[in-house]
Amino acid sequence: KAGVTQTPRYLIKTRGQQVTLSCSPISGHRSVSWYQQTPGQGLQFLFEYFSETQRNKGNFPGRFSGRQFSNSRSEMNVSTLELGDSALYLCASSLSGTSHYGYTFGSGTRLTVV
Amino acid sequence: QKEVEQNSGPLSVPEGAIASLNCTYSDRGSQSFFWYRQYSGKSPELIMFIYSNGDKEDGRFTAQLNKASQYVSLLIRDSQPSDSATYLCAVNIPGNQFYFGTGTSLTVIP
Repeated sequence: KAGVTQTPRYLIKTRGQQVTLSCSPISGHRSVSWYQQTPGQGLQFLFEYFSETQRNKGNFPGRFSGRQFSNSRSEMNVSTLELGDSALYLCASSLSGTSHYGYTFGSGTRLTVV
Repeated sequence: QKEVEQNSGPLSVPEGAIASLNCTYSDRGSQSFFWYRQYSGKSPELIMFIYSNGDKEDGRFTAQLNKASQYVSLLIRDSQPSDSATYLCAVNIPGNQFYFGTGTSLTVIP
């Protein structure tokens, strides 16, 4: 059974650019959540998608956006990159988002903004 | 006040000892509680979940939940060097997101 697949694994971008990250959840999982992880802040919730609809959103500026496709694959986009956006971006999938069984995380995308 | 709080550590224990990790949460509506392990440079991995008050054991791991006091703990018996990692506590509120603590760094000394 394939796990959660995130691409790319590493990215280096310059300030002001935009970036798109991709996540393919476990087959059958309909909920995809995105987190930003930094050493000082830990895991910060970005948003959750379920059946192509954004169901929950964290406290991030509008430069961070996402979407989910009919096959449950999800993308997140960050526009006008800032140095502070450098982080590990983690995608997590679950059956329903409020599953009692927790998330399965992907390997993450390490974004470095220079 | 953060939804989930953990001591950041670092916590060091000798090999073979019991490691005790603690977590408190603020929302009494929380219903599901999770412990994740994250090795350096890797993504979090679910190791335990618990819904009911009391203890839940899985191998060397025991999760403890006390809803009245709003805390969750993880005990690791017979700690091994391979247990050295950051342990993240997470809670889930129905209809809402998962909230994560900032993690406790554990080092098991051979």
